[in-house]
Amino acid sequence: AQKVTQAQTEISVVEKEDVTLDCVYETRDTTYYLFWYKQPPSGELVFLIRRNSFDEQNEISGRYSWNFQKSTSSFNFTITASQVVDSAVYFCALKGYGGSQGNLIFGKGTKLSVKP
Amino acid sequence: NAGVTQTPKFRILKIGQSMTLQCTQDMNHNYMYWYRQDPGMGLKLIYYSVGAGITDKGEVPNGYNVSRSTTEDFPLRLELAAPSQTSVYFCASSYPGRSSTDTQYFGPGTRLTVL
Repeated sequence: AQKVTQAQTEISVVEKEDVTLDCVYETRDTTYYLFWYKQPPSGELVFLIRRNSFDEQNEISGRYSWNFQKSTSSFNFTITASQVVDSAVYFCALKGYGGSQGNLIFGKGTKLSVKP
Repeated sequence: NAGVTQTPKFRILKIGQSMTLQCTQDMNHNYMYWYRQDPGMGLKLIYYSVGAGITDKGEVPNGYNVSRSTTEDFPLRLELAAPSQTSVYFCASSYPGRSSTDTQYFGPGTRLTVL
């Protein structure tokens, strides 16, 4: 069975603090993809990043960075120098290729509140 | 490109009523999906389609039906609305097989309340 766990339900930080959102996944597939999506208060789902299981390089995009470690089945997301506009619910998701047609398995999300 | 569009944005139904949630994408994606998001939860797959004329159940299909007559459209039908179907519904599309685009892109969602 595939599963995504985001243990942090809510996180509150003050602007300019760094914050890390944790994501732990379970899968028996050897080929899989991991994703992060952002859901701002307006409600839409915004794609942030996709990482495949064969690429463990960390990724940095501006203030965002992602740390993928297969040894611990984790795909953590760090926001550096957080801003109020980062306030949103962040979802980690997994797509495997051993079973159904590639649908996403979502974690329950982490609600990030960045206060000025 | 408009991407994935959904209508309506909001809807209130009475128990037992029926309705269709519309979803259209203009990215020529062959895969389309319907998810529901309940408060404090991640998204759960209701139905998906790998191409026109082909649909299959996801994790929570009971109470819903879908059809896919064209590549662009993937409507979701609720036949007998129940309070348990109060949720936010998201449609998504993707184009698996091309690694650079094997990502699901979501519509803005439809907030449905059944009273």
